[in-house]
Amino acid sequence: GNSVTQMEGPVTLSEEAFLTINCTYTATGYPSLFWYVQYPGEGLQLLLKATKADDKGSNKGFEATYRKETTSFHLEKGSVQVSDSAVYFCALSGLVQGAQKLVFGQGTRLTINP
Amino acid sequence: EPEVTQTPSHQVTQMGQEVILRCVPISNHLYFYWYRQILGQKVEFLVSFYNNEISEKSEIFDDQFSVERPDGSNFTLKIRSTKLEDSAMYFCASKKTGLFGEQYFGPGTRLTVT
Repeated sequence: GNSVTQMEGPVTLSEEAFLTINCTYTATGYPSLFWYVQYPGEGLQLLLKATKADDKGSNKGFEATYRKETTSFHLEKGSVQVSDSAVYFCALSGLVQGAQKLVFGQGTRLTINP
Repeated sequence: EPEVTQTPSHQVTQMGQEVILRCVPISNHLYFYWYRQILGQKVEFLVSFYNNEISEKSEIFDDQFSVERPDGSNFTLKIRSTKLEDSAMYFCASKKTGLFGEQYFGPGTRLTVT
């Protein structure tokens, strides 16, 4: 079945550092890929998405590129802020007609120190 | 901006009791979901609902679970006889369209079974 693997956390960085959170997936066909963010005490918010190979999703300075050849969707940000501290989830949704459930990775807790 | 709402935010119940978790999806959305997140673990799919019926369910969603959309606005998850291992954060999500639609998540209900 479909699955998502994220880099182990937690990740701790200093403000303005460069961020990469690795995400790889296993899926049949061509899934849509997502990054969700969960701030402390809150629900999941969509951060960005990509629906086909070589698409780049971007939002709030975060980027991720859908790499079919490496089955990856790594999240990057050039200069992180304290407010980026959260748990980040990589997820995929299959392209089978129907409700298309999301399959999540285990989440990566990011802490940014001032 | 429309949002998914969930009530209650926290529910404490005794083992063996029935609980109903309530969600109000975004009004023009057609696909509805329940996910759960046991503390410190990944977000897991429970069930999807479309056109007034379950479209997919996971192995977690056994006979103790049921979902209902009783009045065209609410979407409920019922657990008939709760177990300790049902303690988790339960997220409702909804989506407007099919293949490439984005799932919007509610803030979650924390269920504690004692």
